[in-house]
Amino acid sequence: RKEVEQDPGPFNVPEGATVAFNCTYSNSASQSFFWYRQDCRKEPKLLMSVYSSGNEDGRFTAQLNRASQYISLLIRDSKLSDSATYLCVVNIGVWGNQFYFGTGTSLTVIP
Amino acid sequence: GAGVSQSPSNKVTEKGKDVELRCDPISGHTALYWYRQSLGQGLEFLIYFQGNSAPDKSGLPSDRFSAERTGGSVSTLTIQRTQQEDSAVYLCASSAGLAGGPVSTDTQYFGPGTRLTVL
Repeated sequence: RKEVEQDPGPFNVPEGATVAFNCTYSNSASQSFFWYRQDCRKEPKLLMSVYSSGNEDGRFTAQLNRASQYISLLIRDSKLSDSATYLCVVNIGVWGNQFYFGTGTSLTVIP
Repeated sequence: GAGVSQSPSNKVTEKGKDVELRCDPISGHTALYWYRQSLGQGLEFLIYFQGNSAPDKSGLPSDRFSAERTGGSVSTLTIQRTQQEDSAVYLCASSAGLAGGPVSTDTQYFGPGTRLTVL
C-alpha cells in the first residue's frame, strides 16, 4: 500500500467553479501535511501547510482528518491560473524527515 | 531571497557516461533531499541528508547512484554508467531540518531541477 494516495484526475472545471481534492495517507503516526502545486515542467512549490484545525488562504482551504487519515484541498472560484497538478505530501518523521509525495491530481480550469 | 539552485538545468549525455548534478540549498538549511521525476510520474525519493548524520540512501535505485554533501551545504548527485532509464528530471530540495527538535513544521523548498536525457 502506498504511503500517500491521490485521485490522479484529471479534473476539468469551468472558471468560477469550486473543486475539492482528497488525499489519504496510511501511517497514523504522520506528523505534518502539505499541499504543493506543480506547473507543467516546473518544480513543486508549497501551496499551503495543513493544520489540524484546518486553515484557509484566500480561495484555498485545507482540512485534516486524522481519524480517517485524509487531507483535503478546496479551491473556490477557480481561476485559469489554478490549472496545475496538486501534490499531497505527508511527513511521517519525527526526529528525521520522511516526506512522502502523492502522484498528484491534475486540474484544468476551462474558460 | 536566494532559493535552491541546481546546475546544469539541462544535461544530455550518451549511454554509459557518468554525470554529476549539483544542488545549492537555501543558506542555513540543514536538510537536503534528492528526488527524480520521470515524465508524467510522481516524485521518487532518492536520498536525504540531515546535518552531519549518515544520509538516508534508501531510495537510491542502484549502486550506480551516489551523492555527497560537502561541508553541510552543496550536494552532488553522481550517476555512473548512465542508462536510458535514468532520463528524468532530478529535483533537489532543502529544509530547515531538525535543529535539535522535532520536524513537525519542517517544509521543503525545491530547486528548478536538472533535466537529464540519456541517449
